[in-house]
Amino acid sequence: DAGVIQSPRHEVTEMGQEVTLRCKPISGHDYLFWYRQTMMRGLELLIYFNNNVPIDDSGMPEDRFSAKMPNASFSTLKIQPSEPRDSAVYFCASRQGFGELFFGEGSRLTVL
Amino acid sequence: AQKVTQAQTEISVVEKEDVTLDCVYETRDTTYYLFWYKQPPSGELVFLIRRNSFDEQNEISGRYSWNFQKSTSSFNFTITASQVVDSAVYFCALSEDTQGAQKLVFGQGTRLTINP
Repeated sequence: DAGVIQSPRHEVTEMGQEVTLRCKPISGHDYLFWYRQTMMRGLELLIYFNNNVPIDDSGMPEDRFSAKMPNASFSTLKIQPSEPRDSAVYFCASRQGFGELFFGEGSRLTVL
Repeated sequence: AQKVTQAQTEISVVEKEDVTLDCVYETRDTTYYLFWYKQPPSGELVFLIRRNSFDEQNEISGRYSWNFQKSTSSFNFTITASQVVDSAVYFCALSEDTQGAQKLVFGQGTRLTINP
């Protein structure tokens, strides 16, 4: 079975550009989470969805960040405009109910 | 608020040594879950174990074992006869049953290096 699929794996962009990260959760999973990993702050939860509905976005850093889940098989995390401090690895994870949380391989974002 | 502390930032041992990674947590909930994840150099996060707050039995899986002690709020992870392939960053995490959502809060991680 395919795991959580994230794209792109690597993204290098310039400050001010829009960045869109994509995630395909495991089929049948009803929870989807976006995490960010940096050296300074470790792994932080940004937002999570249940049945495509955003439940808690208190971890989203600021209005430049937005996330959507238009259907059960797709989610996006958008940063507009991007800044160098947004450079990080962004992980998407999904789970079914309260089962094991499966992570994607991450999207490494570098903002110059 | 929930919090996870992994006081050991880095550990380096020689292959075949036993090594214990410490994890201390804080929570006000009586129902919670504790996790360990492994992040190898390739970057993905690999699930190792989940324990709920009502099950204090120690767990052993091959060379891996976990010691859960509610009295000290600790959930330590031991690798016996370590191998080079065990080199990775290990994260301890906690989730409370807040609104039934179980959001994971991670510790800062312990970078384990096994030298040949």
